[in-house]
Amino acid sequence: EPEVTQTPSHQVTQMGQEVILRCVPISNHLYFYWYRQILGQKVEFLVSFYNNEISEKSEIFDDQFSVERPDGSNFTLKIRSTKLEDSAMYFCASLPPRRENQETQYFGPGTRLLVL
Amino acid sequence: AQSVTQPDIHITVSEGASLELRCNYSYGATPYLFWYVQSPGQGLQLLLKYFSGDTLVQGIKGFEAEFKRSQSSFNLRKPSVHWSDAAEYFCAVGYSSASKIIFGSGTRLSIRP
Repeated sequence: EPEVTQTPSHQVTQMGQEVILRCVPISNHLYFYWYRQILGQKVEFLVSFYNNEISEKSEIFDDQFSVERPDGSNFTLKIRSTKLEDSAMYFCASLPPRRENQETQYFGPGTRLLVL
Repeated sequence: AQSVTQPDIHITVSEGASLELRCNYSYGATPYLFWYVQSPGQGLQLLLKYFSGDTLVQGIKGFEAEFKRSQSSFNLRKPSVHWSDAAEYFCAVGYSSASKIIFGSGTRLSIRP
């Protein structure tokens, strides 16, 4: 069964550094998402992306965050200048083309980001 | 605004006992409802979903959930739990299949031998 993959699985960075989290969605999927989960807390929506543009973003997704689909297969989340509070598990998700509004988002395994 | 409430932070049940995890949502129209399970340090696995139709939905691992519009609830049930069911369970809601998913705060399930 096709899967969403994410790299790296773990990343440690220094505060103020830029990080790029990578996701490879399932090949025929058209909608892409990033969520995050701070340790011990609930999963929170960050951003959704469709047709090469952001379709919705949350209050968390400020100017420090950006997303890109650089080559038609990868979907990246960039954090320009990381803060301690950016430490979290980041999940990518993708959704197949909508036909009957019965589709489900497929989640990747996550990237655990630790900012020191 | 959409929201999801899981009133039980932590539940402990004996192996072989029945389980019910509560979930209430707030949304004006018919929501898209989900239950996810997460083992420690792992990703999210979809247990089941409700989009429309039969209000009792069957999922993987022997779980089921019932959508009750009048109570704005989508409780998860399992007739007999196994030690491997110990995990964090998240109820979630969306307003379409492509919309963002709003997650509840989760219920941690422990299994007593």
